[in-house]
Amino acid sequence: DQQVKQNSPSLSVQEGRISILNCDYTNSMFDYFLWYKKYPAEGPTFLISISSIKDKNEDGRFTVFLNKSAKHLSLHIVPSQPGDSAVYFCAARTLQTGANNLFFGTGTRLTVIP
Amino acid sequence: ETGVTQTPRHLVMGMTNKKSLKCEQHLGHNAMYWYKQSAKKPLELMFVYNFKEQTENNSVPSRFSPECPNSSHLFLHLHTLQPEDSALYLCASSQDGVTRGYTFGSGTRLTVV
Repeated sequence: DQQVKQNSPSLSVQEGRISILNCDYTNSMFDYFLWYKKYPAEGPTFLISISSIKDKNEDGRFTVFLNKSAKHLSLHIVPSQPGDSAVYFCAARTLQTGANNLFFGTGTRLTVIP
Repeated sequence: ETGVTQTPRHLVMGMTNKKSLKCEQHLGHNAMYWYKQSAKKPLELMFVYNFKEQTENNSVPSRFSPECPNSSHLFLHLHTLQPEDSALYLCASSQDGVTRGYTFGSGTRLTVV
């Protein structure tokens, strides 16, 4: 059973507009969430993260929002740029056991149209 | 350069072959992982090593055999694979307590024919 879900396999956005990528999770024990970005022929790279004690974290053009009651998080990219075109993975983990294992979603392919 | 290096980048092997994937990290991390990425599926955790000791084997078939000789190197030995094992195999490393999660390698694209 997938504990982290990204229900939109793809998203297309015009350059300069906002991109919103969504992620849902089922495990209420998750207390840390991350977004990774993956270009073709490369491994995923860390983008931004958020702790469950926060509801928003911002880093430049990237903002992650967390809604714990809805078990939902989203990544906002504004303004979107063509170089943002990639696959974005949502990931979550629990620190309860001290383990550092991440659970990933299936990814959303973002295409930013010039 | 991501800090985690995987070789080879591409591998084509027959079902009767034996091959090995290699992963190397010089980030001083104490944990290393093998993940499998298949089309339209989430990244699947295969094996976890903490301080060279295997701490997790996520119900992976025995035709995949990991080896971690030291905290900087991780291997995945492959034998008698099936075509459905064709996928991108990603190695990652991490340091407990680091909030950036994993550092991934670029992966090995494996095709089983």
